[in-house]
Amino acid sequence: GAVVSQHPSRVICKSGTSVKIECRSLDFQATTMFWYRQFPKQSLMLMATSNEGSKATYEQGVEKDKFLINHASLTLSTLTVTSAHPEDSSFYICSARDGQAADTQYFGPGTRLTVL
Amino acid sequence: TQLLEQSPQFLSIQEGENLTVYCNSSSVFSSLQWYRQEPGEGPVLLVTVVTGGEVKKLKRLTFQFGDARKDSSLHITAAQPGDTGLYLCAGARSSSYKLIFGSGTRLLVRP
Repeated sequence: GAVVSQHPSRVICKSGTSVKIECRSLDFQATTMFWYRQFPKQSLMLMATSNEGSKATYEQGVEKDKFLINHASLTLSTLTVTSAHPEDSSFYICSARDGQAADTQYFGPGTRLTVL
Repeated sequence: TQLLEQSPQFLSIQEGENLTVYCNSSSVFSSLQWYRQEPGEGPVLLVTVVTGGEVKKLKRLTFQFGDARKDSSLHITAAQPGDTGLYLCAGARSSSYKLIFGSGTRLLVRP
């Protein structure tokens, strides 16, 4: 099946710093990627939809200036958490939509962010 | 407001037992997917159901999409410890590629 990778798998940073998370589709081109966050023992909450070559669409309640998304190529989307605070600590997961497979989304392995 | 409600939220059963997980909504979806997620990993797609009333089987797992495409169920026969994990349903609407995830069901199968 299709493979989506995320880097880094886990990151620990100090409060006030910015952290960039990469999401790559390894064997298909993804015109659309999605970013989710997941708190412990909870389900996935969609943060934003990332479209290649255009601005991301953010879900209600998600600050676009805090969570910067860039989708510069058909295989790479990045999420930058700016001025991170402890409440931003979470599990961030991306998914990539395979345009050749209708609604199928392939998920990355996730990035565990801990803000001290 | 959770658009997709899953029940039960948590289930602890003995190996060999059967179980059913439900995913309910008041909204219609063009397709519905079931995922299984293990701690510290991303969700893994189990199945996609598209047609109302559709039934799909994956070894000991049986998935059903409601006739009105508003609900779905996952039935596991003779559960094994390897089935332990978080089961998530997710619905997609025809107007959008976005997935709306259910609240999740945490399954623990004891040996």
